[in-house]
Amino acid sequence: KAGVTQTPRYLIKTRGQQVTLSCSPISGHRSVSWYQQTPGQGLQFLFEYFSETQRNKGNFPGRFSGRQFSNSRSEMNVSTLELGDSALYLCASSLRLADEQYFGPGTRLTVT
Amino acid sequence: AQSVTQPDIHITVSEGASLELRCNYSYGATPYLFWYVQSPGQGLQLLLKYFSGDTLVQGIKGFEAEFKRSQSSFNLRKPSVHWSDAAEYFCAVGERDAGGTSYGKLTFGQGTILTVHP
Repeated sequence: KAGVTQTPRYLIKTRGQQVTLSCSPISGHRSVSWYQQTPGQGLQFLFEYFSETQRNKGNFPGRFSGRQFSNSRSEMNVSTLELGDSALYLCASSLRLADEQYFGPGTRLTVT
Repeated sequence: AQSVTQPDIHITVSEGASLELRCNYSYGATPYLFWYVQSPGQGLQLLLKYFSGDTLVQGIKGFEAEFKRSQSSFNLRKPSVHWSDAAEYFCAVGERDAGGTSYGKLTFGQGTILTVHP
């Protein structure tokens, strides 16, 4: 069974731009969570989706948004990028809410 | 709010030596706990999990962890470390509400970097 896939793997954007990251969960998994990883703040929870509904949200500004499609694939969007948004964005999927989460390789976003 | 502390930022061991990585959590209800490993530039790989039941859990790659409620700890152990175990290790706690409903939000510790000397 294929693992969690994330596209693109690397991305360079300019301050003020917006970006969309994509995540395809493991086949059959219905829950997708997103995390931001930075050297200073570590791993921080962004949001979680299950059956196309956002079930939980972390403490991030409204510039960070996401959605989940009927096939469980998920996207996250960051608008008006700031230098501090440079990070590794990790997507994780699980069969159901609160099951163990399996992580993708991440998208490395650099904001210049 | 729940929190996870990994007291050791960096640990160095010799190949073949035993390993214990410490994890302490702060959480009001019964937690569910995980250990993940991350190699440079990679995502997180699940090593093991504790949801309930037997407090000693076995994972992949020869790792085990023990849940000790009285000490709010979930330490990771391996009897003999291999050079390929060098990586960063993260302990995480999952969230449950007062009614016992679990959520997918994980709170992670700051990680422990493991260096293995030949």
